[in-house]
Amino acid sequence: NAGVTQTPKFQVLKTGQSMTLQCAQDMNHEYMSWYRQDPGMGLRLIHYSVGAGITDQGEVPNGYNVSRSTTEDFPLRLLSAAPSQTSVYFCASSYRGPPVRRSYEQYFGPGTRLTVT
Amino acid sequence: TQLLEQSPQFLSIQEGENLTVYCNSSSVFSSLQWYRQEPGEGPVLLVTVVTGGEVKKLKRLTFQFGDARKDSSLHITAAQPGDTGLYLCAGAANAGGTSYGKLTFGQGTILTVHP
Repeated sequence: NAGVTQTPKFQVLKTGQSMTLQCAQDMNHEYMSWYRQDPGMGLRLIHYSVGAGITDQGEVPNGYNVSRSTTEDFPLRLLSAAPSQTSVYFCASSYRGPPVRRSYEQYFGPGTRLTVT
Repeated sequence: TQLLEQSPQFLSIQEGENLTVYCNSSSVFSSLQWYRQEPGEGPVLLVTVVTGGEVKKLKRLTFQFGDARKDSSLHITAAQPGDTGLYLCAGAANAGGTSYGKLTFGQGTILTVHP
C-alpha cells in the first residue's frame, strides 16, 4: 500500500517556466489537497478537491491550477513560475470520517522541494 | 479566515523534562489534529480530537481539546531525543453535509530534546 506518492522529489525552475507536480493516492479517499510549506508559516492550503471533477480554491491559489479527472490523481500545475513560489509542496488525501466523528484527517505525501531562480 | 496561533515556536529542552505546546484560536473547529514532521518528510498524524473537553493519551503524549473547541494542547512527559521534530496543530472548519472541512494549520513548534 503506497499511500500518497508525489513526483518529482526536487525541482529547479527558471522564472516563467511551467511544470506539473504529480500526486497520486491508492486509499480511495474522497478528498485531496495541495499545501505549501514555508518557514515559520506552517502549511497553507493551495487548492483542494472533494471528488473527481470538483475542485476549489484554498488560501493561496494564485499562480496554480488543478484538475481532478480520477479519484486517484490530483496534479498541481504552475503556469509561470515565480521566485515567490519557491517552497516545499505537499499533497494530501483525506476522508470525512463517520457522521458522529467528522475528522478530515490528512495523509501526506513526502513532498516536492521546488526552487525558482 | 480562521487562524490558529501555536506556541511556542521553538522549544529546546533536556531529556526527561516535561513540555506543553499550545494551539489557540477565536474560531470553533469541528475537529483538531496534531501532526509530527521529520526533516525531508511529510507530516504524520498523531491524534484527532473531536469532542469539546476530550483528552487523548498516546504513551507519553497527552492531547486535550478545549471545552469550547477553540483551543488544544499537547503535553509530553519525560521527553526523549526521539521526540525531536516539528509539531503542527490543525483545525478542521465546521462543515456539514458534503462540505469539505478545510484545515487551518498553526505555524508549528520545533522541538529539540537534548540527551
